[in-house]
Amino acid sequence: QSLLTQPPSTSGTPGQRVTISCSGSSSNIASNAVTWFQQLPGTAPKLLIYNNDQRPSGVSDRFSASKSGTSASLAISGLQSEDEAAYYCAAWDDRLSGVLFGGGTKLTVL
Amino acid sequence: QVQLQESGPGLVKPSETLSLTCSVSGGSISAYYWSWIRQPAGKGLEWIGRFYPGADTNYNPSLKSRVAMAGDTSKNQFSLKLKSMTAADTAVYYCAREKGDCSSTSCYFSGNTLEIWGQGAMVTVSS
Repeated sequence: QSLLTQPPSTSGTPGQRVTISCSGSSSNIASNAVTWFQQLPGTAPKLLIYNNDQRPSGVSDRFSASKSGTSASLAISGLQSEDEAAYYCAAWDDRLSGVLFGGGTKLTVL
Repeated sequence: QVQLQESGPGLVKPSETLSLTCSVSGGSISAYYWSWIRQPAGKGLEWIGRFYPGADTNYNPSLKSRVAMAGDTSKNQFSLKLKSMTAADTAVYYCAREKGDCSSTSCYFSGNTLEIWGQGAMVTVSS
């Protein structure tokens, strides 16, 4: 199955800023909005970012995102221990007529 | 506030059909897209498909031949059926509602803006 490409893992120390990348193609990220999800251990995913850079109400402004061409990125500033989670990007793929998820990035707060 | 709850058998035999139901409370299933997503233990998310009550459906091409989704507006529920189950289908299955980008006259659904999720239902395929 095709996936958007994310690094499997990343880490940071409290207070640090980390970024997570998501790479796709012309049929998904380049032409459709990207969403980001946060999945804390043992829980359902939570919508973190939609429409490339929009935060749902209640999501901390420490989370921000951007998109350029066939890539997108999620940034987390002022890293906190509760940010330790898996993060997934997703986009609609016009060629598949369906949603593609990234493989997920496990963030460890050291 | 809208809440979703998956229900169904936790154990399915190989070659059988999985039937899962997502019950929606706090809002109607009409006028939204509803999706199913699954996640094998320790792995990433896989989109199964989505549907709009009485209208559109989209399925993951890799599962399309085995999947069917439907809604029951009278019960405010929607369902997933997945045929010919194998061990590779063992996963937590989530239902979710899409967030619409709405104007005064219509809403646009992107497919991936899954704003409300159920807690998930573990399904194991084993004889």
